[in-house]
Amino acid sequence: DAGVTQSPTHLIKTRGQHVTLRCSPISGHKSVSWYQQVLGQGPQFIFQYYEKEERGRGNFPDRFSARQFPNYSSELNVNALLLGDSALYLCASSFAQQETQYFGPGTRLLVL
Amino acid sequence: SQQGEEDPQALSIQEGENATMNCSYKTSINNLQWYRQNSGRGLVHLILIRSNEREKHSGRLRVTLDTSKKSSSLLITASRAADTASYFCATDPTSNSGNTGKLIFGQGTTLQVKP
Repeated sequence: DAGVTQSPTHLIKTRGQHVTLRCSPISGHKSVSWYQQVLGQGPQFIFQYYEKEERGRGNFPDRFSARQFPNYSSELNVNALLLGDSALYLCASSFAQQETQYFGPGTRLLVL
Repeated sequence: SQQGEEDPQALSIQEGENATMNCSYKTSINNLQWYRQNSGRGLVHLILIRSNEREKHSGRLRVTLDTSKKSSSLLITASRAADTASYFCATDPTSNSGNTGKLIFGQGTTLQVKP
């Protein structure tokens, strides 16, 4: 079975631009979570979606938004990019909210 | 905010030795998960231990959980050069509004296994 997939793998943007990151969960998984990992630190929780509804939100500004589609794939959108948004963005899927979360390879975003 | 605190931050051992990493956390949890990350790539799930469990094994990995001390440990036995990676503990905290399933990570332990 395919694992969690994310696209694109790498992305370079300039300050003020907008970015959309995509995630496809493992088949049968209904929960998708997004994390931001800055170099040298552990991942920070951004959002969790379960059955297409937002179930949790981390301490991130409103520039960050996400959604989950009927096929359970998800998008993370970040508006008005700042230099500090440069990070590895990880998507994780799980069958249910309290089960093991399986991570994708991540999207590395560089904001110049 | 970070809940898990891993100790030590860095660990260097010889191949064949055992490696022990510790994790402390602050709030009550549903479960605690350990992950491995190689060179800034995606996280690989190692073990999930639930709050009502005290010990779990998977191959060369042994995880313990002490909810009274709010701490966990990961033991890797007979380490190999391929075990070189960063290891993170992540807690799934309970919350007043119900269980959200979000994970809170520590800053990780960087393990180097020398051949």
